[in-house]
Amino acid sequence: EVQLVQSGAEVKKPGESLKISCKGSGYSFGSFASYWIAWVRQMPGKGLEWMGIIYPIDSDTRYSPPFQGQVTISADKSISTAYLQWSSLKASDTAMYYCARRADSGWFFDYWGQGTLVTVSS
Amino acid sequence: QSVLTQPPSVSAAPGQKVTISCSGSSSNIGNNYVSWYQQLPGTAPKLLIYDNNKRPSGIPDRFSGSKSGTSATLGITGLQTGDEADFYCGTWDSSLSTVVFGGGTKLTVL
Repeated sequence: EVQLVQSGAEVKKPGESLKISCKGSGYSFGSFASYWIAWVRQMPGKGLEWMGIIYPIDSDTRYSPPFQGQVTISADKSISTAYLQWSSLKASDTAMYYCARRADSGWFFDYWGQGTLVTVSS
Repeated sequence: QSVLTQPPSVSAAPGQKVTISCSGSSSNIGNNYVSWYQQLPGTAPKLLIYDNNKRPSGIPDRFSGSKSGTSATLGITGLQTGDEADFYCGTWDSSLSTVVFGGGTKLTVL
């Protein structure tokens, strides 16, 4: 069974750095590295926002314009893990963050992580 | 403001049918496949429909999808109280070079 397991909830202060993770397992075909992994933000009470995506095989990364320069997406294919990181958090980064696997046949997401709640407050 | 437009809420009685619309443009829905996601309260989104009208394994045929021009529709028949959730449409936007989602529609089963 395919699973994306995300790291636990975080409470941080403005200006602090943070790196959250998403570990994949149970892929029946190919490997973790051969599927694009996306990050999606959901602010409290709001909808889904696509932040960007990474291809773990070669770390090819694409960002949605609002998130370019605000976050860094990375991956370590040797441990089947993708990351989302901030160098200086803002209160407006408070949200639930989901990782999701892009299906190999199109721009849709067939498996999702359980979400990581990030709270930024002084 | 979302690139794709969905009604904020829809409601219907148990056993009835409901449709949820998703409106876009030629740069997204008009020239790309649409997917739909169900987000039950307090849980992660789950893929419901892909490639406009295909259901992943395990999704009952009460859920259906269609697309016409720059709009897509999710249909749910035989409504159950357990269907209460937020529903999102999504697709690739060729002009923005990003995935775009609708603002979400809250389904209430009265």
